[in-house]
Amino acid sequence: KQEVTQIPAALSVPEGENLVLNCSFTDSAIYNLQWFRQDPGKGLTSLLLIQSSQREQTSGRLNASLDKSSGRSTLYIAASQPGDSATYLCAVRNTGGFKTIFGAGTRLFVKA
Amino acid sequence: GAGVSQSPRYKVTKRGQDVALRCDPISGHVSLYWYRQALGQGPEFLTYFNYEAQQDKSGLPNDRFSAERPEGSISTLTIQRTEQRDSAMYRCASSLFGPGGDNEQFFGPGTRLTVL
Repeated sequence: KQEVTQIPAALSVPEGENLVLNCSFTDSAIYNLQWFRQDPGKGLTSLLLIQSSQREQTSGRLNASLDKSSGRSTLYIAASQPGDSATYLCAVRNTGGFKTIFGAGTRLFVKA
Repeated sequence: GAGVSQSPRYKVTKRGQDVALRCDPISGHVSLYWYRQALGQGPEFLTYFNYEAQQDKSGLPNDRFSAERPEGSISTLTIQRTEQRDSAMYRCASSLFGPGGDNEQFFGPGTRLTVL
């Protein structure tokens, strides 16, 4: 059974810092992995999607990597800004199915 | 273009009543997902549609929950004889391709269900 864990649960950093959010999964037979952002009381916004054959994806200040064999993904945020404050969720879809399993998220606070 | 929409945004009902939650995916999107999200947790998968075919309903918690997508577009999640433990945010997502595609999921704003 696939389990997705995100560490840390919460993180507070000063503005301008580079930071890394971690996502680990127990079953390496994944189809893809997607990172989302969720603002308080709001819906989920897609940030990056990594297919199982890919090692990383980049969008602006965001870079997501995937290491299937070790069951890990990281989301790197460069030069953090207060507007980056949100909860970041990773989600894994396994091969051979349609179910998408989410982690509980990392709550990020960027101090001005 | 318009994103995924859900209605109602808020629903308060009494225990024992039936509720129907609606999801209108992005136009042309083949795949549609339903999730339930508790406070402080990530979304929990409920069911998946490929066009009108419900291809995975393994996440539906019991037989009070059902979903349909009769014309391959709008979907309805129905909860019969609601219980207080059904209170949660119910979210819908759609993606452009079917099972073999890249399946980037786009989420709607959710329906907050409160069962009194």
